[in-house]
Amino acid sequence: DAKTTQPPSMDCAEGRAANLPCNHSTISGNEYVYWYRQIHSQGPQYIIHGLKNNETNEMASLIITEDRKSSTLILPHATLRDTAVYYCIVRVALGAQKLVFGQGTRLTINP
Amino acid sequence: NAGVTQTPKFQVLKTGQSMTLQCAQDMNHNSMYWYRQDPGMGLRLIYYSASEGTTDKGEVPNGYNVSRLNKREFSLRLESAAPSQTSVYFCASQRGGLKETQYFGPGTRLLVL
Repeated sequence: DAKTTQPPSMDCAEGRAANLPCNHSTISGNEYVYWYRQIHSQGPQYIIHGLKNNETNEMASLIITEDRKSSTLILPHATLRDTAVYYCIVRVALGAQKLVFGQGTRLTINP
Repeated sequence: NAGVTQTPKFQVLKTGQSMTLQCAQDMNHNSMYWYRQDPGMGLRLIYYSASEGTTDKGEVPNGYNVSRLNKREFSLRLESAAPSQTSVYFCASQRGGLKETQYFGPGTRLLVL
């Protein structure tokens, strides 16, 4: 599975858009980009995933560059409840998904 | 619909004791997983079960055994607990097929003295 690189921490003001980057320069053609988050002490929560097109759901948007070597997770109107560690994971979508969690980005939303 | 449930929520063991962590899901998912998370670290896969009747090792299987009791339940056993196994243990399940995602339980916090 391709490895990912994320900044260790970020800050964002409440109500603003939070943009979390992820580099995955060794991604293969059949690998998807997944984003999960973990709010303090809880189990990780799925946010969004995509292959090459930009994706949007009720929680976030995912922007994947044309060469697929990097992506950005966008939380359009961050709230204090979005404070969490965000994990970018790259892997194939077939079969059992052995998710590989790196260190993630600790996002702090400030009032 | 409770999702993924784990018992116990918290446990203290002495070195050498054994225990079983229980996990159950009510979403009719095929795949189930056990992860551990040490302080300040990401999750690491211990074992997984792609379907009922099968189990496979993950990244850090040493010191653990698993049982996929039926489609709903997947247990993790520590035969002889060691302080290095102090961690938070998360169970997850996944329906299977293309683009499916994992749903995680609330975790079991284990302290081995």
